[in-house]
Amino acid sequence: EDQVTQSPEALRLQEGESSSLNCSYTVSGLRGLFWYRQDPGKGPEFLFTLYSAGEEKEKERLKATLTKKESFLHITAPKPEDSATYLCAVQARGGATNKLIFGTGTLLAVQP
Amino acid sequence: NAGVMQNPRHLVRRRGQEARLRCSPMKGHSHVYWYRQLPEEGLKFMVYLQKENIIDESGMPKERFSAEFPKEGPSILRIQQVVRGDSAAYFCASSPSGRYEKLFFGSGTQLSVL
Repeated sequence: EDQVTQSPEALRLQEGESSSLNCSYTVSGLRGLFWYRQDPGKGPEFLFTLYSAGEEKEKERLKATLTKKESFLHITAPKPEDSATYLCAVQARGGATNKLIFGTGTLLAVQP
Repeated sequence: NAGVMQNPRHLVRRRGQEARLRCSPMKGHSHVYWYRQLPEEGLKFMVYLQKENIIDESGMPKERFSAEFPKEGPSILRIQQVVRGDSAAYFCASSPSGRYEKLFFGSGTQLSVL
């Protein structure tokens, strides 16, 4: 069964304190791995898509990496506005659908 | 360019009533997806629709739930005879095609069943 596990469930950082979020996945065949950001009361907002092991993507203070078993979201020198829930999702090969399998997310709080 | 629009934002129903959730995709998008987010759980896929067609409903409960995306108008997720376990946030997403690409999500409808 395709599955996504994120850790830690919650993370509290001081402003400027870099860290990483983990996303472990098992999928019959990976078509793509997605990172989303979700603010309270809002829908998920797209951050990155990674397609193959070794691939990396960057956006401002965020960098996503991918291996055959997991993905990391590295946050460098975070700011309070980076506080949100970060969601990881995978898309499996096969089938006619574009559906995503989500993890339960990591709740990040960055304190000034 | 408006994003994915969902309404209502909050919906309160008593047990046994019907809930109708509406979703207008982004302009130019003809593919719609519904996800449900239960407390302490991740987003779960429910159904994938194109205009006038259900493509994948593998995540839909077998009873009481239905979805449509008519030629004109928004996509509708209908829940008949709601029960307390249906209380959740329901998110709609859209994409311009059905290939593997990012989805654009709405802000969701929070359904509360009393």
